[in-house]
Amino acid sequence: AQRVTQPEKLLSVFKGAPVELKCNYSYSGSPELFWYVQYSRQRLQLLLRHISRESIKGFTADLNKGETSFHLKKPFAQEEDSAMYYCALKGWQAGTALIFGKGTTLSVSS
Amino acid sequence: DSGVTQTPKHLITATGQRVTLRCSPRSGDLSVYWYQQSLDQGLQFLIQYYNGEERAKGNILERFSAQQFPDLHSELNLSSLELGDSALYFCASNRDDGEAFFGQGTRLTVV
Repeated sequence: AQRVTQPEKLLSVFKGAPVELKCNYSYSGSPELFWYVQYSRQRLQLLLRHISRESIKGFTADLNKGETSFHLKKPFAQEEDSAMYYCALKGWQAGTALIFGKGTTLSVSS
Repeated sequence: DSGVTQTPKHLITATGQRVTLRCSPRSGDLSVYWYQQSLDQGLQFLIQYYNGEERAKGNILERFSAQQFPDLHSELNLSSLELGDSALYFCASNRDDGEAFFGQGTRLTVV
């Protein structure tokens, strides 16, 4: 079965500190992995997808197939990064739908 | 603005009732996905339609059903509502397996 696990419900850091939001997945095959972000009272937006290997708003994520992980990282957190972050996979077992983890709330304080 | 429109934004109804949520996808997008977001379960995939046909089912209850019309808008019907159905319902659309764009959601409160 395909599953996405985000072990932390809440991650609180100070401005300027490094951030790592953890994501592990379970899927036999080669999934596509994504990070979506939801700012307060806004819709979900795509942040990153592993196939593009981009850095968006200073965030990066590397797919580690050996550890089945796709952790989201940023070297220096900003207050405007405070939001809910969802890791998701698309694995062809649910049409082309995204299967989401339960999300991690990132809170950045000064 | 993602181009995906959901109506209504808020809905309050009583247990046992039936409601219909509406989603208009981005122009040209053939796929529509429905998700339920609750505090304990997070974002759960319910069902996908592609060009009017059901494509995939997730954790959708038998009390829930959906359809996609010829103009590609979609409706999610929730019946015999229970308190536990209170949640945010999102729809998303995409084309050709591209990026999924989400609507603002409909907040359903069952009292």
